[in-house]
Amino acid sequence: GQQVMQIPQYQHVQEGEDFTTYCNSSTTLSNIQWYKQRPGGHPVFLIQLVKSGEVKKQKRLTFQFGEAKKNSSLHITATQTTDVGTYFCAGSSSNTGKLIFGQGTTLQVKP
Amino acid sequence: DTAVSQTPKYLVTQMGNDKSIKCEQNLGHDTMYWYKQDSKKFLKIMFSYNNKELIINETVPNRFSPKSPDKAHLNLHINSLELGDSAVYFCASSQGRWAFFGQGTRLTVV
Repeated sequence: GQQVMQIPQYQHVQEGEDFTTYCNSSTTLSNIQWYKQRPGGHPVFLIQLVKSGEVKKQKRLTFQFGEAKKNSSLHITATQTTDVGTYFCAGSSSNTGKLIFGQGTTLQVKP
Repeated sequence: DTAVSQTPKYLVTQMGNDKSIKCEQNLGHDTMYWYKQDSKKFLKIMFSYNNKELIINETVPNRFSPKSPDKAHLNLHINSLELGDSAVYFCASSQGRWAFFGQGTRLTVV
């Protein structure tokens, strides 16, 4: 079945350093979504990418969707302690319409 | 107003008991989901309903039975609870785009 893999599982950075998480799907996706879950909280939608090669920015966050629509990345520039949490990618294929989540990358930021 | 609300937030119960978790959304969405998040934070889809009809039923033990009395509600009933059922259960809703999650129900089976 469809699988969405995300790496790394954990990342510890010093405040001010950059951070990147990568997402790979076993099948072509119709779109990719990114969510953030703060410790003890629930996943909150950040952004959706639909087009091949699409790049979107939200302040210090940059999201990319691969040309083949099978991979994606989230890059955070100059991390802050407020960036702490688990970042999930989630993909859906046009075949099933099912939203499959990656395993998540948990980011710790040392002040 | 909370968009997707789940009750209870915490649930501690003994093995073998039967329990229910309720979920309601006031967003007017057609689709609702149940996800299970284990201790490693992996979010696994369990069920999806579209307009009260079951459309996704993953490989979940039949001790888990979802019920959708109307499109704004999706409840989850669990029979004969086992230790391995301990997890956080999230309800979510969507309207063909991204998902809105509830606050989660932390279920602990002792």
